[in-house]
Amino acid sequence: DAGITQSPRHKVTETGTPVTLRCHQTENHRYMYWYRQDPGHGLRLIHYSYGVKDTDKGEVSDGYSVSRSKTEDFLLTLESATSSQTSVYFCAISEVVVGHVLTGELFFGEGSRLTVL
Amino acid sequence: QQQVKQSPQSLIVQKGGISIINCAYENTAFDYFPWYQQFPGKGPALLIAIRPDVSEKKEGRFTISFNKSAKQFSLHIMDSQPGDSATYFCAASRPDNNDMRFGAGTRLTVKP
Repeated sequence: DAGITQSPRHKVTETGTPVTLRCHQTENHRYMYWYRQDPGHGLRLIHYSYGVKDTDKGEVSDGYSVSRSKTEDFLLTLESATSSQTSVYFCAISEVVVGHVLTGELFFGEGSRLTVL
Repeated sequence: QQQVKQSPQSLIVQKGGISIINCAYENTAFDYFPWYQQFPGKGPALLIAIRPDVSEKKEGRFTISFNKSAKQFSLHIMDSQPGDSATYFCAASRPDNNDMRFGAGTRLTVKP
């Protein structure tokens, strides 16, 4: 299994509170991603990072921010959580950009279940 | 707007049967089509992937069939086993693009 640790694994919070999810990798992969998984939607990309301090938006980035101060850590922050952000959040990593001619494999963590009341 | 449409939403198959999951895509720029397998409480894991220069790829009991003109691809699981019970996601991405698009998922149950 790829060395990816997500924390916390479960969190219940109230609307309007800030929440930070952490992803830590031991693989030294360049790319890191945050996805959310919702029934009927599969996995949708929130933000990704292609290096320290280098990040970009994904398909569903509104209401989320990210930071990557070290190669191994990628943080996802909900500045003011809303009920629509109740979801399971997955961190993923890849050695090269997805879709690359050599390999596009994403390695996923085990997820963080967030409930916003 | 979902760029990758997956069906069926759920599937029940008897042990030893063939499981078939279908996906259709819209963006002709997609050139990488993986399938991910997810067990309850775990993250998805790559099962098998194909590029559009071939029409079929087989790895053990798992086969991807790809129809470029129809913009469709499917996963076939031969001799399905109870251990194959999981949720399967198809996906697609463009060349060197980090925004991989996933289908909505298919929950497969293989009955013993």
